[in-house]
Amino acid sequence: LAKTTQPISMDSYEGQEVNITCSHNNIATNDYITWYQQFPSQGPRFIIQGYKTKVTNEVASLFIPADRKSSTLSLPRVSLSDTAVYYCLVGDRRGGGFKTIFGAGTRLFVKA
Amino acid sequence: NAGVTQTPKFQVLKTGQSMTLQCAQDMNHNSMYWYRQDPGMGLRLIYYSASEGTTDKGEVPNGYNVSRLNKREFSLRLESAAPSQTSVYFCASSGLQWEGAPADTQYFGPGTRLTVL
Repeated sequence: LAKTTQPISMDSYEGQEVNITCSHNNIATNDYITWYQQFPSQGPRFIIQGYKTKVTNEVASLFIPADRKSSTLSLPRVSLSDTAVYYCLVGDRRGGGFKTIFGAGTRLFVKA
Repeated sequence: NAGVTQTPKFQVLKTGQSMTLQCAQDMNHNSMYWYRQDPGMGLRLIYYSASEGTTDKGEVPNGYNVSRLNKREFSLRLESAAPSQTSVYFCASSGLQWEGAPADTQYFGPGTRLTVL
C-alpha cells in the first residue's frame, strides 16, 4: 500500500500561488493520485485527481512527473477561505473498497 | 440527493456503554468506509466495506464492529466505549465522480462527534 509524505504545514498570503508536494515512492502502476481538502468540523472533499502529467480543473492543478513518485497540488491565487488541511492519497483505479491512508495532511494557513 | 448522512451528530457516553453510529448514502455506491479523526490529526481508517456483504479491517479496528446492512447503510458499533475512543467519526462512500472517470473518489458525511467520559 503506497504511503504518502507531505509537509505538515504551510503559510501563505492572499493572492499568492501555493504548491503542496506529496511524495509517494511506492506508488503502484494502477494507482491514481487524489487530493482532498478538509475544513474544520467538516469531512474531506475531493479537489482533483490524476494519473500522470498535468491535470487542471476550476479549483486547482495537479502536476505529476514521469516517474510518478511525487505530485504537486497547485492552488492559484489563494484566498483566506483556502485555509484548510490538504490530503494526498494514492489508490487503485476502480471498484473502491481499498484501504486508504490519509496521513496527517498539510495544514495551509492563508493570511491577509 | 442527500449524499452521505450520519446520525447522531453528537454523543456523550460513559466508559463501558455501547452505541451504534449510523451511516447511509444515496449515491448507489458499492464501497463504504468508517474513519476516526482525533484532534489535530489525520483520518484513520477503522473498517471498510468493498461491497454489500463484505467488510474488512482498516488501520485501527480494535474496539469496533461494523455491519453492512444493505447497499445504502453501513453502521459502526462500539461495544464497550473507552475514553480513547473519543474522536470525530466520519463515514464515507466511494464511486466514480463522473461517467468514465478513471478512479473512485470518496464522499464524506458530516461526522459524529463522540465523547467518552
